[in-house]
This record gives sequence, structure tokens and C-alpha cells, in this order.
Amino acid sequence: QKEVEQNSGPLSVPEGAIASLNCTYSDRVSQSFFWYRQYSGKSPELIMSIYSNGDKEDGRFTAQLNKASQYVSLLIRDSQPSDSATYLCAVNAYTGGFKTIFGAGTRLFVKA
Amino acid sequence: GAVVSQHPSWVICKSGTSVKIECRSLDFQATTMFWYRQFPKQSLMLMATSNEGSKATYEQGVEKDKFLINHASLTLSTLTVTSAHPEDSSFYICSAGLAGGGSEQYFGPGTRLTVT
Repeated sequence: QKEVEQNSGPLSVPEGAIASLNCTYSDRVSQSFFWYRQYSGKSPELIMSIYSNGDKEDGRFTAQLNKASQYVSLLIRDSQPSDSATYLCAVNAYTGGFKTIFGAGTRLFVKA
Repeated sequence: GAVVSQHPSWVICKSGTSVKIECRSLDFQATTMFWYRQFPKQSLMLMATSNEGSKATYEQGVEKDKFLINHASLTLSTLTVTSAHPEDSSFYICSAGLAGGGSEQYFGPGTRLTVT
């Protein structure tokens, strides 16, 4: 079982809609969770971090964490074509030392 | 804040030669730096974790004698690809964290290596 799982997509949403990206993880002791955005040919960019259960909002982005269900999500409101990218979920896990494990990413396509 | 630079941004080298890639944290001290490789349309693959002043920790399957990592200061880590071959052609990305493995990582812009 992969440690961090994401649907590879592509997830296609119309402009102005809400995009919902999901991620599950296997390590129950994980404490830190991150969402990165990666445009094609570019390196990842940190957009959100979340450490406690519940929602965390930053502009059009909302991260949701449910540790009991080992589930973290990212909502993008009022999606724009410029949001089209691959979104990487990352989880800090203990594997003989803490390490950040990245999911394979979900490709998001926002149609104008 | 939390800006990480990489140099060069792209490099073309001949098979058998060595290439050095620099990763610098510009406005913070990075106790830990990470080196990743990413092939087209694939996910990030962690190659190694380096801590300032100590030997890098390499991931399983990554040859430490081929990918030499030096983290001589809190703001600079280097990756040297020795005796490069065409299969080493990839996008190499470094990142830096403020604490050992448990915090956000800030990525450099990446270095695209092409070995001919």
C-alpha cells in the first residue's frame, strides 16, 4: 500500500467552480500535511500546510484534515485556468526518522 | 521569504563527464536540504537528505558514489552527478527545510540535465 495516495486525474472543472482534491495516507503518527502546486516543467510550490483537524483557509484555498480517517483534502474555490497544474499532497511520516512523503499528484485542468 | 535558488537551471553534458548542481537558501538557514529527481510525467523521487556538516542519507537504490552530495554550510548544498550517462538525464530539484524533515519544504527552481 502506498503511503500517500492521490487520484492521478486529470480532474477537469469549469472556470469558477470548486475543485476538490483528495489525499489519503497510511501513517497514523503523521503530524504535518502539505499541499504543493507544480506547473508543467517547474518545481513544486508550497501553497498550504495544515497540522490539526479541521479546516484551514487561505484565500481561495481551503485545506481539510481528518486524522481519524487519515484524509486530507484541498478545495479551490472560484477555480481559474491559471490553477491548472499538478497538485501534490505531502505528509510528514516517521520511517526511522521523520521524512516527508509525497503523493504522485493530481492533475487539475480548469476549462475557461 | 524562504527563497531557494539552484544553479545552473539547465545543463547539457557529454556522457562520462561530471556535473555539479548548486542549491542555496537565500534568506534563511537550511539545516536540512533534500535532493529530488523527476522524470517526465512522473512524481518526485527523493534521492537523498543532507544535513549541514554531516554525510548525506541516501534513499534505497540511489548510488552514493555516483550522486555526491556536499552540504558544507547552512545555505549551500551541492549535488555532483559523476560519470553521467544518458539515463541520468532528468529534472533535479533541491528543497530546503527549516528543521529536520518535519517542516515545510521550499523548492528551488530545478535543474534540467541532459546527457548526450
